[in-house]
Amino acid sequence: DIVMTQSPDSLAVSLGERATINCKSSQSVLYSSNNKNFLAWYQQKPGQPPKLLIYWASTRESGVPDRFTGSGSGTDFTLTISSLQAEDVAVYYCQQYYSTPHTFGQGTKLEIK
Amino acid sequence: QVQLVQSGAEVKKPGASVKVSCKASGYIFTGYYMYWLRQAPGQGLEWMGWINPNSGGTNYAQKFQGRVTMTRDTSISTAYMELSRLRSDDTAVYYCARSGGVVRGAEAFWGQGTLVTVSS
Repeated sequence: DIVMTQSPDSLAVSLGERATINCKSSQSVLYSSNNKNFLAWYQQKPGQPPKLLIYWASTRESGVPDRFTGSGSGTDFTLTISSLQAEDVAVYYCQQYYSTPHTFGQGTKLEIK
Repeated sequence: QVQLVQSGAEVKKPGASVKVSCKASGYIFTGYYMYWLRQAPGQGLEWMGWINPNSGGTNYAQKFQGRVTMTRDTSISTAYMELSRLRSDDTAVYYCARSGGVVRGAEAFWGQGTLVTVSS
């Protein structure tokens, strides 16, 4: 199984400041035949199911604010929130869907400083 | 719009089985894989497997092999996940999630979750 490791486990950022979450996979999730990274980012708020934010490592889901940006390739990925808003308080997960079982990082809890 | 509506909360005794349903609407049910995942209280997300609603083919995570069965009823656009020989550590919220297909990949649309509590 591919192991996904996120850092940090928790993060406190001031409103309007940048938040950065990192995700590392134990093997590459870049599929060479189509040059796509099989990596997604999800946001989960308490009592709600996860919400897809980013897929193919950098494509924003429809309706997701453009302050959310995904980047990286191969084994190293980053989710950046450019200007933190109060509604962004949540747990964020990265996930690989390159191979089964699809595996998730342990989650990063994002709070307001 | 895509909607996945899951069945209600369940309380089961150790050793029993539970069957969770996921009714899909807003798209062609047989056109997209359906995934099942779970989340224990205060914990992260765990992937259990998928079912191809068109063929009925399945792929289960090794951890759940022999205990999980995923089925579907195409006539009512509903997927099912049955977990047997329940233990206390199976207490979790169980989610169905529809594949994003070739456009998105990933688990793009999620049900609201079904809490399964295993307790004697």
